[in-house]
Amino acid sequence: NAGVMQNPRHLVRRRGQEARLRCSPMKGHSHVYWYRQLPEEGLKFMVYLQKENIIDESGMPKERFSAEFPKEGPSILRIQQVVRGDSAAYFCASSSKAGGPDEQYFGPGTRLTVT
Amino acid sequence: EDQVTQSPEALRLQEGESSSLNCSYTVSGLRGLFWYRQDPGKGPEFLFTLYSAGEEKEKERLKATLTKKESFLHITAPKPEDSATYLCAVQERTGRRALTFGSGTRLQVQP
Repeated sequence: NAGVMQNPRHLVRRRGQEARLRCSPMKGHSHVYWYRQLPEEGLKFMVYLQKENIIDESGMPKERFSAEFPKEGPSILRIQQVVRGDSAAYFCASSSKAGGPDEQYFGPGTRLTVT
Repeated sequence: EDQVTQSPEALRLQEGESSSLNCSYTVSGLRGLFWYRQDPGKGPEFLFTLYSAGEEKEKERLKATLTKKESFLHITAPKPEDSATYLCAVQERTGRRALTFGSGTRLQVQP
């Protein structure tokens, strides 16, 4: 399967714990994006990364959230000290083009529930 | 700030009853407009990219069109399996690669 992979698909955390969400882009893609979909809301951009670089983090909350895309391995979205408002579906997308409009292909998402 | 508004929020059709979904957008220079389909509990599935006003793209029962201010997704003779939420998104020309999404149209096609 050459699609975008995300794990885990479902994650339950208690308030104050850490959540780590993983994303492996499509084969041949070097651009990774993270989006969040809150209940009854649309998809919102969080962060855009290339290998070892954060390119645009304008949609990322300033505290508790961080993202990385190391030279080897998947991209990681990390949420520290989770709160109930972090409960949402987190989607990763990847693309290959460096210029022009690029199609972003989405993974199945990680559904985070904070209890 | 980029804005994308989709209408209607929800649409119920009978099988075979054609209709159109609307996506109005405001963007400081359009690099591309994208249509996605999202089924419950799944990630968005890419459908089309439109680059410039006047462009049209087709795939099976779906046809997407683009003007300078809006895009339409026309559904011809829909089937129950076309039931899903259809999302519209824009990417601006400035080089910023983030997609700005609308809130979607929930389509239900009844047999």
